[in-house]
Amino acid sequence: AQRVTQPEKLLSVFKGAPVELKCNYSYSGSPELFWYVQYSRQRLQLLLRHISRESIKGFTADLNKGETSFHLKKPFAQEEDSAMYYCALNTGGFKTIFGAGTRLFVKA
Amino acid sequence: DTEVTQTPKHLVMGMTNKKSLKCEQHMGHRAMYWYKQKAKKPPELMFVYSYEKLSINESVPSRFSPECPNSSLLNLHLHALQPEDSALYLCASSQDRRGRSYEQYFGPGTRLTVT
Repeated sequence: AQRVTQPEKLLSVFKGAPVELKCNYSYSGSPELFWYVQYSRQRLQLLLRHISRESIKGFTADLNKGETSFHLKKPFAQEEDSAMYYCALNTGGFKTIFGAGTRLFVKA
Repeated sequence: DTEVTQTPKHLVMGMTNKKSLKCEQHMGHRAMYWYKQKAKKPPELMFVYSYEKLSINESVPSRFSPECPNSSLLNLHLHALQPEDSALYLCASSQDRRGRSYEQYFGPGTRLTVT
């Protein structure tokens, strides 16, 4: 079955500390993976996707097919990074499967 | 215009009412989606329209009836809802190219309360 697992419901770090939000997926084919973010009182929006291999707002994510992971990382967390982060899997077509989400709280 | 708009922002309805949620985008996207999101949960896909045709119905109860009148508009007609249908209803759109996925652009949602 296709599945996305985000093991941490809440992640709390201090400003300036590194942050890593974990995401593991279950899919036997070639996945397309995304990170979506929802800031307080804002709409859900795309943060980054693995095929573009870009860094957005200092965040990066590398697809590791061997470990079936797509962890989101940032070397120095900022208070404005506090938000809900969803890892999402698309297996082709219109269906996107979202993980349960991780709430990141960056403390001053 | 790079936004998906949704109306109304909030809706309170009784179990015998009939109401509609509306969604609009002018980005030229030909795929449009309805999601349901309960508090502290991820979005759950309900329906997908591709080129104004219903492409996916995730076994949604018939009290929810989607409609895509044209490439820019998506409606969700509601009738005889249950209190457990109270949730945030999200609309999204994306490009549509067979066999590939694209990022989805989400609207702000309609907060629905069924009394």
